Amino acid sequence: AQSVAQPEDQVNVAEGNPLTVKCTYSVSGNPYLFWYVQYPNRGLQFLLKYITGDNLVKGSYGFEAEFNKSQTSFHLKKPSALVSDSALYFCAVRDISGGGADGLTFGKGTHLIIQP
Amino acid sequence: DAGVIQSPRHEVTEMGQEVTLRCKPISGHDYLFWYRQTMMRGLELLIYFNNNVPIDDSGMPEDRFSAKMPNASFSTLKIQPSEPRDSAVYFCATQQGRVDTQYFGPGTRLTVL
Repeated sequence: AQSVAQPEDQVNVAEGNPLTVKCTYSVSGNPYLFWYVQYPNRGLQFLLKYITGDNLVKGSYGFEAEFNKSQTSFHLKKPSALVSDSALYFCAVRDISGGGADGLTFGKGTHLIIQP
Repeated sequence: DAGVIQSPRHEVTEMGQEVTLRCKPISGHDYLFWYRQTMMRGLELLIYFNNNVPIDDSGMPEDRFSAKMPNASFSTLKIQPSEPRDSAVYFCATQQGRVDTQYFGPGTRLTVL
């Protein structure tokens, strides 16, 4: 079974400061990792993904994430936060080592609040 | 491309009524997923299809829930009879191939009174 943990329900950051949203995962095989963002009353928007290759993945809106296999983590980062980054962020994992394309397993989500 | 299209966007119904949620995938995407989002349980996978065939429905909560994909352009999720605990946001997501990104629709907010 696969699982995702987002240990922080809420992260508060001042505008212009760097931000980190934490994610750890558990899979039996190789992980495919994703970050999505959800704005109020909207669907989930894809930010970035890690499949293979470089551990540092760059995505939309200046976000990036670092895959750390030894720590089973995939933290989301941005060097300088904007007020418009305030939203609900989801980390998700998929393990296709079994051969099938499973659905994503999501974390509980982290509310990111950027203060002006 | 218009993205994943879901209808209706909002549905309010009374307990015991039948509810049908609809999804039109992105053209060319061969996987379709139905998820449910609630405050208590977060995002849960209900069922998914590959090339219109249901692959895994282990997340469907009970027999009151059913899903179909009669063709590559359309899927439905039906609840009959509906109950207040079914109130949630239901998302459809599609992807092209096994390793592609899943793209989500805007969701249907269901309220069962």
